[in-house]
Amino acid sequence: AQSVTQLDSQVPVFEEAPVELRCNYSSSVSVYLFWYVQYPNQGLQLLLKYLSGSTLVKGINGFEAEFNKSQTSFHLRKPSVHISDTAEYFCAVRGRGGATNKLIFGTGTLLAVQP
Amino acid sequence: DVKVTQSSRYLVKRTGEKVFLECVQDMDHENMFWYRQDPGLGLRLIYFSYDVKMKEKGDIPEGYSVSREKKERFSLILESASTNQTSMYLCASSSLPGGSNGELFFGEGSRLTVL
Repeated sequence: AQSVTQLDSQVPVFEEAPVELRCNYSSSVSVYLFWYVQYPNQGLQLLLKYLSGSTLVKGINGFEAEFNKSQTSFHLRKPSVHISDTAEYFCAVRGRGGATNKLIFGTGTLLAVQP
Repeated sequence: DVKVTQSSRYLVKRTGEKVFLECVQDMDHENMFWYRQDPGLGLRLIYFSYDVKMKEKGDIPEGYSVSREKKERFSLILESASTNQTSMYLCASSSLPGGSNGELFFGEGSRLTVL
């Protein structure tokens, strides 16, 4: 079984500052990792994903994440945030080789960008 | 554009009522999912389906049932709504694991209030 931990429930940051949203996972098998974003009153949309290959993954809207197998982490970063990045961010994991695409989500981190 | 459509964005029901939440996808996906989203708890899987007429329990199936009579439609049923089922419900779909990266496509959510 897999689990995901997002330790920060809320991250306040000023516009144009860098940000890191933390995600740690637990799994007995190799995993696929995802970050989803949810803007107010909307569903979730995929930000980026790690399937294999390079451990540095680039996504939409200038976000990137690095897979660190030894630390079982997949932290999300952006060098300079905008007001429009204010949203809730969810990290998710799926075990490789599973029969279905059942994703396990973290509890989410609210990114609050202030002017 | 891929699309997952949830029939109702906002519903208000009374305790004991039977509630149907409908979800339709136009991507010919095999897998469909119902998640429940609550503040501080993230997304929790209620039920999922990997084929027509097939269903599997997720992590919190109690008080819910599902129906998948056609490939494109997946319904969530609350047989007798209770106040603790007040929540945001998110439907998602994805193609088969072997042929995809496991990305889920989400609807915009149905916010249910049970009085």
